[in-house]
Amino acid sequence: QSALTQPASVSGSPGQSITISCTRSSSDIGDYKYVSWYQQHPGKAPKLMIYDVSNRPSGVSDRFSGSKSGNTASLTISGLKAEDEADYYCSSYTTSSTLGLFGGGTKVTVL
Amino acid sequence: EVQLVQSGAEVKKPGESLKISCKASRFAFNNYWIGWVRQMPGKGLEWMGIIYPDDSDTRYSPSFQGQVTISADKSLSFAYLQWSSLQASDTAIYYCVRHFKTTMYDSTIRLAFDVWGQGTTVTVSS
Repeated sequence: QSALTQPASVSGSPGQSITISCTRSSSDIGDYKYVSWYQQHPGKAPKLMIYDVSNRPSGVSDRFSGSKSGNTASLTISGLKAEDEADYYCSSYTTSSTLGLFGGGTKVTVL
Repeated sequence: EVQLVQSGAEVKKPGESLKISCKASRFAFNNYWIGWVRQMPGKGLEWMGIIYPDDSDTRYSPSFQGQVTISADKSLSFAYLQWSSLQASDTAIYYCVRHFKTTMYDSTIRLAFDVWGQGTTVTVSS
């Protein structure tokens, strides 16, 4: 069974960079190219931050960047700000199996 | 402003049926994949399924196949999510979402949702 695993929490000080990982557990779900990242503040709807591993939708700060190495995708937040404190979710879709998944989410705390 | 406006909160009893709605405005509803995402209390996001209103092509997450029905009325720009028999475990916030397109002609499914409704809270309790 496929799953996307994220760390439960990541923290950093203002101005620092942090990285959130998203690791897929199964090898039978295609080339893992459709990875997206979402930011969700408490009580709010999520916001799309990254699509297709490393692309930012219009309007998203360039402090947010995505990458991938093998079965692990990553979201990096540079120049951390208080407003970045939120939950972050990765997602992945595989066309070969129509399997779509969200990771369990990572709580980012700005110290 | 591009919007998805969802129907209001619902309180239902186990075994009851329910249909919640999502009204799209200011974009070409028929030509976007529209989906539903569940968030149980204090938990993460779960993709339920998507529909392409123009031809009603519908894809379900295996976890939700047979548990819910996703539909759309392209003439009214509405998407729907319905249950025939609710369970307490269906208690959650349900978000209506628009699937992101890189270009006007892009139809690739990538589970990237760029517009979210405000969420509909469904509470199932006896």
